[in-house]
Order: sequence, then structure tokens, then C-alpha cells
Amino acid sequence: NAGVMQNPRHLVRRRGQEARLRCSPMKGHSHVYWYRQLPEEGLKFMVYLQKENIIDESGMPKERFSAEFPKEGPSILRIQQVVRGDSAAYFCASSPRGGADVSTIQYFGAGTRLSVL
Amino acid sequence: EDQVTQSPEALRLQEGESSSLNCSYTVSGLRGLFWYRQDPGKGPEFLFTLYSAGEEKEKERLKATLTKKESFLHITAPKPEDSATYLCAVTSGSRLTFGEGTQLTVNP
Repeated sequence: NAGVMQNPRHLVRRRGQEARLRCSPMKGHSHVYWYRQLPEEGLKFMVYLQKENIIDESGMPKERFSAEFPKEGPSILRIQQVVRGDSAAYFCASSPRGGADVSTIQYFGAGTRLSVL
Repeated sequence: EDQVTQSPEALRLQEGESSSLNCSYTVSGLRGLFWYRQDPGKGPEFLFTLYSAGEEKEKERLKATLTKKESFLHITAPKPEDSATYLCAVTSGSRLTFGEGTQLTVNP
């Protein structure tokens, strides 16, 4: 059973370009979470999605960042007009259940390391 | 707002030297406390989840315990392959709130 798959593993962008990060959840998982890990900082929640729905985007910066989880295909985290401060490791996690279910465990992918030149 | 504080930030042990990592938390309605292990360049790997004070879980050389205010990760007779960053996280809903981790180094 494949784990959470993220690609690309490494992404280099110049300031002002767009970055697209993809995440395929574990088989049977319909809940996806995105976290960001800035250098020398802990993991910070960004957004929680189910298929075709954004459930909680309270951790997402208001501008330039968006996320989707379409009916078919992977979840996408999109960063428009990247700046140097966006350089970080972006992790995706998935779970079979979410919300109020206390038994939910989030399983993480290997991350995408974004470098903005 | 949920908060997690881990200590120490870094810990260096000799192989076989047992110790404990601390995770203090503040959360409005704990639905779960999680321990993850993270190796350099990799994503967090799930270790344990604890739900109520008094609960304990074990896996090989690791044992996690939970009180109403903190959790401990006890490492018994560690080996060099236990070297990693150990992350603690809590949830009161769907998101995880992480501490900044304890970087453990076990020397042979």
C-alpha cells in the first residue's frame, strides 16, 4: 500500500513565478492536510480539504496561496508570484477520516522543498 | 489557541543511556496527542497517539505517557538508529498543532 506521494520532491522557482505542489493521499483516504515547515521552525497547519471541498483554510496566507482537491486527481497547493519568504518544506498528510473523529491519524508524505531564488 | 512546547531542544545521549523527552501542551478540548519521528529530508513518521490522561503506549525502545498537561517520550537503552527529531502534536479538531521538536543524537 503506497504511502502519501508528493511531487516534485524539490522545486526551484524565481521570484514572481508560480509553484504547484501535488499530493496523492494514501489509498482509501479522502482527507488531505497541508503543512509548511519554515527553516528552523516547526510544522504549521495551512489547509484541510476533502474531495471538492475546503474544510478549514485558516492557516493559509490570504494572498497568493490556494489549494484544491478535485474529484479526480491529486490535491494541489498553488503559490502564485512566489517570494523568497515562501522557501520552505511543504508537507501533505492524509487520513481516512477527519473532523471530530478522535481516532484520526494523519500520515505524512516526504514533502516538497521549495527554493525561491 | 492550542500550544505545544517541547524540551529539550536538543539531546545527545550515549548508546544505552536512557532518557525522556517532554511535551507540554495547552489545548481547549484534547482530542489526541501524537508523537512523530522525523529524519532529515523526510516527512514525519507516526509513532503513537494518546487520548486520555494516564494512557501509555510502547513500541520497541519507546514508551509514551500522557497527563493532563504534558506527555513524555521515554527512550530506553537507545541505539544510534534512534537518532532523529521527535515531534509532538495535539489536536482539538482536525488540524495538528506541532511543537518545534527535540533533536535526539545517540552516539555509539
